[in-house]
Amino acid sequence: QVQLVQSGGEVKEPGASVKVSCKTSGFTFINYGFSWVRQAPGQGLEWIGWIRVDNGDTQFPQRFRNRVTLTTDTSTTTAYMELRGLTSEDTAVYFCARDITWDVDFWGQGTLVTVSS
Amino acid sequence: QTVVTQEPSLTVSPGGTVTLTCGSSTGAVTSGHYPNWFQQKPGQAPRSLIYRTSNKHSWTPVRFSGSLLGGKAALTLSGVQPEDEADYYCLLFYGAPWVFGGGTKLTVL
Repeated sequence: QVQLVQSGGEVKEPGASVKVSCKTSGFTFINYGFSWVRQAPGQGLEWIGWIRVDNGDTQFPQRFRNRVTLTTDTSTTTAYMELRGLTSEDTAVYFCARDITWDVDFWGQGTLVTVSS
Repeated sequence: QTVVTQEPSLTVSPGGTVTLTCGSSTGAVTSGHYPNWFQQKPGQAPRSLIYRTSNKHSWTPVRFSGSLLGGKAALTLSGVQPEDEADYYCLLFYGAPWVFGGGTKLTVL
């Protein structure tokens, strides 16, 4: 069955970087894309980027374009999201979600990233 | 900056019908925005319900349906169950970026 299993929670200091992984199984990894979405405490969902596995194309909203790097590793069928220059406003649960041509289906369980000094 | 608008909250009685909408600050929502709808319960990851306006996933209950209505994307729940109480989010595709609506808190009372 399709599974997206994310890495564990992280606590980071302001200015640091965090890298979250999304280990997948149960489907042909290269046929899909992955969106990354975050949710600050008590807030709604925010889309922070997308990567297509077969050619590495990425899309980002303007506010994240210079701070987020998305990558995939086809040998381990894992997607990664790295966020740099962390501030307290980046404290959130980060989700990966699988999609094929803009149809989102399966989600990871979420990774809590806490930014605190 | 594109804004996607949803009703902040709605209340429905068990067994009733409710329609949640998803509007765009750029104009009418069309099938070209590939509307997706998600359900999220407290402490859980979102669950996908609808893609491409009206298509259901294999796990989507039949009482959920998606459509375009009056220039907006719409999610209709018919025969609401207590377990449908949750937050609902729409997602619209604008090429890049994709934009989530602010979410609708649905109360079943």
